[in-house]
Amino acid sequence: QLQLQESGPGLVKPSETLSLTCTVSGGSISSSSYYWGWIRQPPGKGLEWVGSIYYSGSTYYNPSLKSRATISVDTSKNQFSLNLNSVTAADTAVYYCARVAYSSGWFRSYFDYWGQGTLVTVSS
Amino acid sequence: EIVLTQSPGTLSLSPGEGATLSCRASQSVSSTYLAWYQQKPGQAPRLLIYGASTRATGIPDRFSGSGSGTDFTLTISRLEPEDFAVYYCQQYDISPLTFGGGTKVEIK
Repeated sequence: QLQLQESGPGLVKPSETLSLTCTVSGGSISSSSYYWGWIRQPPGKGLEWVGSIYYSGSTYYNPSLKSRATISVDTSKNQFSLNLNSVTAADTAVYYCARVAYSSGWFRSYFDYWGQGTLVTVSS
Repeated sequence: EIVLTQSPGTLSLSPGEGATLSCRASQSVSSTYLAWYQQKPGQAPRLLIYGASTRATGIPDRFSGSGSGTDFTLTISRLEPEDFAVYYCQQYDISPLTFGGGTKVEIK
C-alpha cells in the first residue's frame, strides 16, 4: 500500500524559506509511470496546485507562486522536497504531497494518492 | 488559466437522497481531463473520478461523473452517512492545474 508522509517545521517566519519533505513508502519514487506533486490548502479554503516533479528531476510549477517554489527529488531516499522562499502570511496552509498519475504530458495529470498533510503557519 | 466554478456552494440533503454537483469551466475542457475529489474534515482529499467518468479504485458505484466541454457533473445516487463531505473538481487539460472552490454536502 503506497503511503506518503510530509515532514517539516510547522512554523516559519515571514520572509524566510518554508521547507518540507515527502517520504514515499510502499512504492518507488523512480517509477516512470508517475510524477510527484505538492498541493496546498489555506485554512478553510480550497486547493491550489504548487508544483510537480518527475524522478529524473524535471519540474513544473504554478506560475502564481512567482518562481518562489523549488521542488527536488532524492531517489536514494525515496523522497521529494518543497522549498518556498520569501514566505508571507498568505502562504499559511496545509501542504499535501501526492502521487501524480499522468497521461499525454506532465500536465495531463491528477492526484491519486495523498499524504495526510502538514500545517505550516507563517508568523513572527 | 482555466477557472472552475462549482455550484451550489452547499447542498443540504438527507441520507438516501440523491445529490447532483456541478463544475463549470471558464473554457472548454477535454472530457478526458476532469477529476473529482472528496474531502472530509481533517483529512486529505481522496480521488473519486478521473477522465470525467472513470471511478478510481475502490470507489462505490453510487458515485458517477459525466459531462463535457464546460459543464461537468458529479452524481451521488443515494447518499450514505459517510458521503457528507466537501467535493472538488480539478481540470488537467491545460497548465496550470486548477481546482474548483468546492461544494459542501451537509446533512439536512
